[in-house]
Amino acid sequence: DAMVIQNPRYQVTQFGKPVTLSCSQTLNHNVMYWYQQKSSQAPKLLFHYYDKDFNNEADTPDNFQSRRPNTSFCFLDIRSPGLGDAAMYLCATSSPTLKYLVGNEQFFGPGTRLTVL
Amino acid sequence: SQQGEEDPQALSIQEGENATMNCSYKTSINNLQWYRQNSGRGLVHLILIRSNEREKHSGRLRVTLDTSKKSSSLLITASRAADTASYFCATVETTDSWGKFQFGAGTQVVVTP
Repeated sequence: DAMVIQNPRYQVTQFGKPVTLSCSQTLNHNVMYWYQQKSSQAPKLLFHYYDKDFNNEADTPDNFQSRRPNTSFCFLDIRSPGLGDAAMYLCATSSPTLKYLVGNEQFFGPGTRLTVL
Repeated sequence: SQQGEEDPQALSIQEGENATMNCSYKTSINNLQWYRQNSGRGLVHLILIRSNEREKHSGRLRVTLDTSKKSSSLLITASRAADTASYFCATVETTDSWGKFQFGAGTQVVVTP
C-alpha cells in the first residue's frame, strides 16, 4: 500500500547531540512537509519541499535543517537538540497536481516521538 | 501564526450521542479540511469541503461551512468509543498555490462506552 513511513517511531537523544529523523513515501508526491507537534497542540509547520525547492517557515529555528535527496526521502536534522525540542515530529506529503481532485489533502506518517535527556 | 480556532477544546460524550465541534478562521480560504489524530499517531484525513460548498457528508460525518462567518462545524453522529481522538481543522488559503495548512488548535473528544 502507498504510504508515508517514518523512522524511528521513538528516538531518544541527549541534550546537544545531533539527531536525524527520516521520512519516506511511496506516493510519489511532489511536496513533503515536516511538522513539530507538542503535547495537546496543533502541528506546527517547520518547512516543506516542493520537489527540490526548500521552503523554510520564518519562525523555524536555525537548529533545524532538512534534506531531500530524492522524491521518496526527506530527513529532518536537529543539530543541537534542546529540552524544548522534545516533541512529536510529523512528516506529510501532498501532490498539487491533484489539487483540483483532492484539494491538497495531506497524507501523514505515524510520527517520531523525540525525547531529549 | 495559527489561523484556526476550535471550540470546544475538549468534549466528553457517551456512545451513541452526537459530537459537534466548531472551527473558525480568519482569511479567505480555498478549502477547509478535518483531520483526526489518535493518541500518539499521525493525522488522518476525514473530509474536505471547498469554499463554494455549504455542507458535505461522509458516513457518520457531516461538515458545514459558512464562509460569511468564516466558520465550519464537524458533526459525528452516533459516536463510538473508536471515535475517541483529537480532531483538527485545517484551512488552505486562496493565495496558496501549493497547499500550506493553517491548523486549528484541535478538539479532544472522549467517547465513553
